[in-house]
Amino acid sequence: NAGVTQTPKFQVLKTGQSMTLQCAQDMNHEYMSWYRQDPGMGLRLIHYSVGAGITDQGEVPNGYNVSRSTTEDFPLRLLSAAPSQTSVYFCASSYRLGQTNTGELFFGEGSRLTVL
Amino acid sequence: DAKTTQPPSMDCAEGRAANLPCNHSTISGNEYVYWYRQIHSQGPQYIIHGLKNNETNEMASLIITEDRKSSTLILPHATLRDTAVYYCIVRVANDYKLSFGAGTTVTVRA
Repeated sequence: NAGVTQTPKFQVLKTGQSMTLQCAQDMNHEYMSWYRQDPGMGLRLIHYSVGAGITDQGEVPNGYNVSRSTTEDFPLRLLSAAPSQTSVYFCASSYRLGQTNTGELFFGEGSRLTVL
Repeated sequence: DAKTTQPPSMDCAEGRAANLPCNHSTISGNEYVYWYRQIHSQGPQYIIHGLKNNETNEMASLIITEDRKSSTLILPHATLRDTAVYYCIVRVANDYKLSFGAGTTVTVRA
């Protein structure tokens, strides 16, 4: 199993550009989510999905879109990048609640985005 | 509103036990205590979780007070590789979402 795979690992954008951060998992996880982490701070939830075709907003959704057309993939779209979106982005997934004993979230390695 | 309170930082000597405290005085009966850690800039890693009983796994032990208002994560024999930010999180039983605070930065010194 590859686990949770994020691409790209690094990206530099100019203000106003758009881009998509990719997240894929091969564990047949029902739940997928995106977090952002600013320097010296904890992770904040952007969007999440509890299954294909179902998405919902987290704590900081403005400026981001998501979709979940398959169980495996959960891309995060920045529509018009702003310097305030400079951050490290983490994708995380988990099994259906109750399916395992731990309910743990599995995280990707992160995507480091800089917006100039 | 923060559901947990942790000290911002702590040091530990290599080979000694590291005891990480966490206060969660407003925890509800259907909320679990979860611990994750984040080494350098990697994605967070699950350590352990519990509801009301003490728990132990290959990584750590979790001690939850009888009133459930606080808990302690114990790393029994800290190594340099345990240097990380440790997050104590309260999670509702039927909710996938985790809310991360600032955590405790643990530095293990040789």
